Amino acid sequence: EADIYQTPRYLVIGTGKKITLECSQTMGHDKMYWYQQDPGMELHLIHYSYGVNSTEKGDLSSESTVSRIRTEHFPLTLESARPSHTSQYLCASSDSGRETQYFGPGTRLLVL
Amino acid sequence: GENVEQHPSTLSVQEGDSAVIKCTYSDSASNYFPWYKQELGKGPQLIIDIRSNVGEKKDQRIAVTLNKTAKHFSLHITETQPEDSAVYFCAASKSSSASKIIFGSGTRLSIRP
Repeated sequence: EADIYQTPRYLVIGTGKKITLECSQTMGHDKMYWYQQDPGMELHLIHYSYGVNSTEKGDLSSESTVSRIRTEHFPLTLESARPSHTSQYLCASSDSGRETQYFGPGTRLLVL
Repeated sequence: GENVEQHPSTLSVQEGDSAVIKCTYSDSASNYFPWYKQELGKGPQLIIDIRSNVGEKKDQRIAVTLNKTAKHFSLHITETQPEDSAVYFCAASKSSSASKIIFGSGTRLSIRP
């Protein structure tokens, strides 16, 4: 069982609000990732990090931003939420010496 | 760039029968191929993986085969059970500190009682 956590699990918020989705892992993994996924559908990589102070945009353009100040934390922020941001957001991590990614339980976001 | 195609997108099998999901990849340098299972309301979980130096790997009712020449790999589930119902994702990556995992588009497997 992987030790990767996401909070909140569910979030309903109004348009224009600023939100931060938290992701933390206790495995000491260097690499962390954020994916956007409509339930049961394809995984779209939106951000990734290979270590502290390293962040990169993924394959799918996203209006969100990320930071990596500490190895174990990789929060994702939306400055102004819109209904188009409604989706599930999955965080994952992996050890730089191994390719296997471990996923958190996800945050389901609904923007009204 | 690397591309992974997965088929079928949906699959329904009778309980007790076998299920097969197939994936093809484009980058011949790919050497690691994991399979993930995603149950409703949860994140994907690794169920089995295979590396390019192996042609087949089995874990109880689950097996994965790899054909490097054809650049395709498959997941086989035998004696399917209701708890096998989920979305399954294949993926491919290269052993590099800068490489990313490329996921297939997913297969929704339903087990009929």
